[in-house]
Amino acid sequence: DAKTTQPPSMDCAEGRAANLPCNHSTISGNEYVYWYRQIHSQGPQYIIHGLKNNETNEMASLIITEDRKSSTLILPHATLRDTAVYYCIVRVVSNTGKLIFGQGTTLQVKP
Amino acid sequence: GAGVSQTPSNKVTEKGKYVELRCDPISGHTALYWYRQSLGQGPEFLIYFQGTGAADDSGLPNDRFFAVRPEGSVSTLKIQRTERGDSAVYLCASSPGRNTEAFFGQGTRLTVV
Repeated sequence: DAKTTQPPSMDCAEGRAANLPCNHSTISGNEYVYWYRQIHSQGPQYIIHGLKNNETNEMASLIITEDRKSSTLILPHATLRDTAVYYCIVRVVSNTGKLIFGQGTTLQVKP
Repeated sequence: GAGVSQTPSNKVTEKGKYVELRCDPISGHTALYWYRQSLGQGPEFLIYFQGTGAADDSGLPNDRFFAVRPEGSVSTLKIQRTERGDSAVYLCASSPGRNTEAFFGQGTRLTVV
């Protein structure tokens, strides 16, 4: 699976958009970009995923560059409850579908 | 319940003892995963079940770790001769299929003293 690079930490003001970047320069054509988050003392929670088109759901938007070498997760109006570790994962469609987590980005939403 | 359930939520055991950790996946989910998470680290893959069979156990650290899923639903992670380095949060996840969204439980915090 391709490796991802994320900043270790970020801050965001409550009510503002949080933009979390992820680099995945070695991504292959059959690999998807997944985002999960983990709030303190809870299991990881699925947010969104995409292949090459931008995606939006009730939680967030995912913007993938045309060359697919990087992506940005956007939380449009961050709240204090969005404080969490955010993991960007490149997942190949495989016999197992296992997720390989990196270190993630710790997002701190401040009042 | 609607989500993945893991029991116990916390387990303290003495070095050298045997422990079992249980995972009840979401009903109907055929894929089941076990992960281990140490403090400050991302979850680390241990084993994957598709139905009753362990399709990928490449993440199990050594032969003290073993997992079963005899009826294709509930799974048990078994650790023999526990060591202090086994202390971590053990996470279970299930999904409808192997390449679909995975839902995680709250984890079992294992402390080996």
